[in-house]
Amino acid sequence: TQLLEQSPQFLSIQEGENLTVYCNSSSVFSSLQWYRQEPGEGPVLLVTVVTGGEVKKLKRLTFQFGDARKDSSLHITAAQPGDTGLYLCAGERGAQKLVFGQGTRLTINP
Amino acid sequence: SQTIHQWPATLVQPVGSPLSLECTVEGTSNPNLYWYRQAAGRGLQLLFYSVGIGQISSEVPQNLSASRPQDRQFILSSKKLLLSDSGFYLCAWSENYEQYFGPGTRLTVT
Repeated sequence: TQLLEQSPQFLSIQEGENLTVYCNSSSVFSSLQWYRQEPGEGPVLLVTVVTGGEVKKLKRLTFQFGDARKDSSLHITAAQPGDTGLYLCAGERGAQKLVFGQGTRLTINP
Repeated sequence: SQTIHQWPATLVQPVGSPLSLECTVEGTSNPNLYWYRQAAGRGLQLLFYSVGIGQISSEVPQNLSASRPQDRQFILSSKKLLLSDSGFYLCAWSENYEQYFGPGTRLTVT
């Protein structure tokens, strides 16, 4: 079974601080995606990484795919209250099906 | 542009009653469609996916069923709801390996 473990599960920091969220697996994925979800809404796709070692930036968010395509990280610089939400990583496991991590609940305090 | 709709947004049903949740996609043809269930603030569990009309694959044994009567319509059903069926149900469609989610249905079984 392909599993994705996210850490930390909960993170509460002050506005302006930096943070990193990790997504790890013992399995290789052909691609990995990060989503952000607000309470009571569906997840919204932030980024897809495909190539081992790939780094993508989305404003203050930096996403990295591990060289072996088994892990990924999300780094947020100078966090803002608007970054608050549930962050989910998901790996593609063939036939366009995704396996999701359990999520990281991020709270940015003003 | 593509849009995905789900209804109802919220639903409260007694144990033993039937269920029908509907999902429709606009702006694309022959999409892969998915039903997920999400426990409170946690990751997503894939329930069903469909690659075409009448083609349904079940991921986990359960009290639910799915149907795809039209290309862009996906329905989640149950003949008799259980308390354990409560949760947040999300429909998604995919393009390549990226998935796009609907707004979700909050189901409470009482």
